Amino acid sequence: NAGVTQTPKFQVLKTGQSMTLQCAQDMNHEYMSWYRQDPGMGLRLIHYSVGAGITDQGEVPNGYNVSRSTTEDFPLRLLSAAPSQTSVYFCASSSGQGLGAEAFFGQGTRLTVV
Amino acid sequence: AQSVAQPEDQVNVAEGNPLTVKCTYSVSGNPYLFWYVQYPNRGLQFLLKYITGDNLVKGSYGFEAEFNKSQTSFHLKKPSALVSDSALYFCAVRGSFGNNRLAFGKGNQVVVIP
Repeated sequence: NAGVTQTPKFQVLKTGQSMTLQCAQDMNHEYMSWYRQDPGMGLRLIHYSVGAGITDQGEVPNGYNVSRSTTEDFPLRLLSAAPSQTSVYFCASSSGQGLGAEAFFGQGTRLTVV
Repeated sequence: AQSVAQPEDQVNVAEGNPLTVKCTYSVSGNPYLFWYVQYPNRGLQFLLKYITGDNLVKGSYGFEAEFNKSQTSFHLKKPSALVSDSALYFCAVRGSFGNNRLAFGKGNQVVVIP
């Protein structure tokens, strides 16, 4: 089983460029989310979705957009990259079986903005 | 809003000794608690969770965690640490009231010394 797949694994952007981080899951999970991981700060929620067509902001949404047109895919778009967005990005999914459902994570995308 | 505190940046332990990683939390309503492990350059892997029932929860790779409602804690434990347990460990929580976002602690680096 593929689980949660993120592409690309590594990316270098110039300041002001835009790009899309891809995330796909094959577990038919309703809930998907994007986190960024920075040293000493743990994981911070960027955006999340509780189902196709429904998205909402997390704690650090500025500079990022998401959409959820299908259950499987949840891309994260950087509108105009800034050095502060240098980070490791993780996509996660979980079933809609309530608050006790554990999240499954992708392998991460390491993004550097120069 | 829910939050997690992992007070120690790094935990050093000799191989074969007991390992404890501390976690305290704050939520509205009942807590749903999780532990994840992250090996270098990998995504987070689920270890165990507490939803309800017995305060001692057993999980993967010989890990267990003890839920203490009065101290709002959910410490991760392993009776005998292995060198291969060296990794970054994250505690996470959801609350039964409010939004159902998963809040992560900043993580604890565990170093098991041969």
